[in-house]
Amino acid sequence: KQEVTQIPAALSVPEGENLVLNCSFTDSAIYNLQWFRQDPGKGLTSLLLIQSSQREQTSGRLNASLDKSSGRSTLYIAASQPGDSATYLCAVRPWEAGTALIFGKGTTLSVSS
Amino acid sequence: NAGVTQTPKFQVLKTGQSMTLQCAQDMNHNSMYWYRQDPGMGLRLIYYSASEGTTDKGEVPNGYNVSRLNKREFSLRLESAAPSQTSVYFCASSPSSNWEQYFGPGTRLTVT
Repeated sequence: KQEVTQIPAALSVPEGENLVLNCSFTDSAIYNLQWFRQDPGKGLTSLLLIQSSQREQTSGRLNASLDKSSGRSTLYIAASQPGDSATYLCAVRPWEAGTALIFGKGTTLSVSS
Repeated sequence: NAGVTQTPKFQVLKTGQSMTLQCAQDMNHNSMYWYRQDPGMGLRLIYYSASEGTTDKGEVPNGYNVSRLNKREFSLRLESAAPSQTSVYFCASSPSSNWEQYFGPGTRLTVT
């Protein structure tokens, strides 16, 4: 059974710091991996989608990498800002047809000014 | 485009009451999903619909039923609510082209 783990569960950094959030998964047979942001009391906003054939995706200050063979993905946030404070969720979609996402429990990021 | 919309935003039920959570998407996506989010448990799949006219159970389907009314709408029904169903419920949809999932704003349900 696919399991997704995110470490650390919480992270506090000063403004301007570059940081890395980690995601690991137990079964490398994935179709894609998606990173989300969730603000308190809100829904999930998709940040980046990496297909299984891709190694990384970039959007603005965010860069996500995927290493399927080792079962790892990282989300790199450059020059962090207080507005980046949120919970970041990693989710994988297995290869089986019709299946949905399997989520990690998230990393809660706090960026102080 | 409104994306994925959910109603209601908040609901309080007494044990044994029934209700239907509504979800609609205007992105012409084939697949739709219902998840619940609980502290310490993360997001878990309740039911999904790969296409209009089909539905399948997810990880935690007990106590729920779903209806894929048409391509746009996917509803979740609680026939007899229990306190264990207190949660935040999210609806999502995805296209078959890349399977990127888009989420609604959620429904916060409390069962007393």
